[in-house]
Amino acid sequence: AQSVTQLGSHVSVSEGALVLLRCNYSSSVPPYLFWYVQYPNQGLQLLLKYTTGATLVKGINGFEAEFKKSETSFHLTKPSAHMSDAAEYFCAVSEEYGNKLVFGAGTILRVKS
Amino acid sequence: DAGVIQSPRHEVTEMGQEVTLRCKPISGHNSLFWYRQTMMRGLELLIYFNNNVPIDDSGMPEDRFSAKMPNASFSTLKIQPSEPRDSAVYFCASSVERTGTGELFFGEGSRLTVL
Repeated sequence: AQSVTQLGSHVSVSEGALVLLRCNYSSSVPPYLFWYVQYPNQGLQLLLKYTTGATLVKGINGFEAEFKKSETSFHLTKPSAHMSDAAEYFCAVSEEYGNKLVFGAGTILRVKS
Repeated sequence: DAGVIQSPRHEVTEMGQEVTLRCKPISGHNSLFWYRQTMMRGLELLIYFNNNVPIDDSGMPEDRFSAKMPNASFSTLKIQPSEPRDSAVYFCASSVERTGTGELFFGEGSRLTVL
């Protein structure tokens, strides 16, 4: 069965600094991988996804993630944090194309001015 | 286009009462998911439907929980009787299956408090 581990329930960065949110997955078949973001009192929205092809995936708001099969990782990065990036971020994996996602526990990103 | 619409946004009820949460998926989407979010357990998939048919309800915690999807534009999640441990945010999400997007569209959630 697939599973997701997000390292660090809270991450704090200064505005303008690099954002790195870590995600490792477990899957018995080639996975489909996703990052979602949740702003306070809202539902989740898709940041980016990896299905097949290029392992470096670019998403909205300047975020990107790289699929590394050898490390079973899909870390999320952004070169320069903005105050508006403060939110909770969820990594998710699916063994069926696109649906029935299994989510990680989430990482709350705090951006300091 | 309207997104996934959930109601009520907030519900406060007393233990033992029946609770019904409602969801209208995005028009044209044929998969619908119910998730529960708590601090302790994070996001849990309760049940999902494809073309109005329940496909996997293994996440439904117990018989007090039931979900229906009578047509493509409406689904309910019912808890009867409710208990304090059911307090959580319940999210509905919809998706177009097998289109190549793999994206779930979430509603804003229904925050349930059981006293």
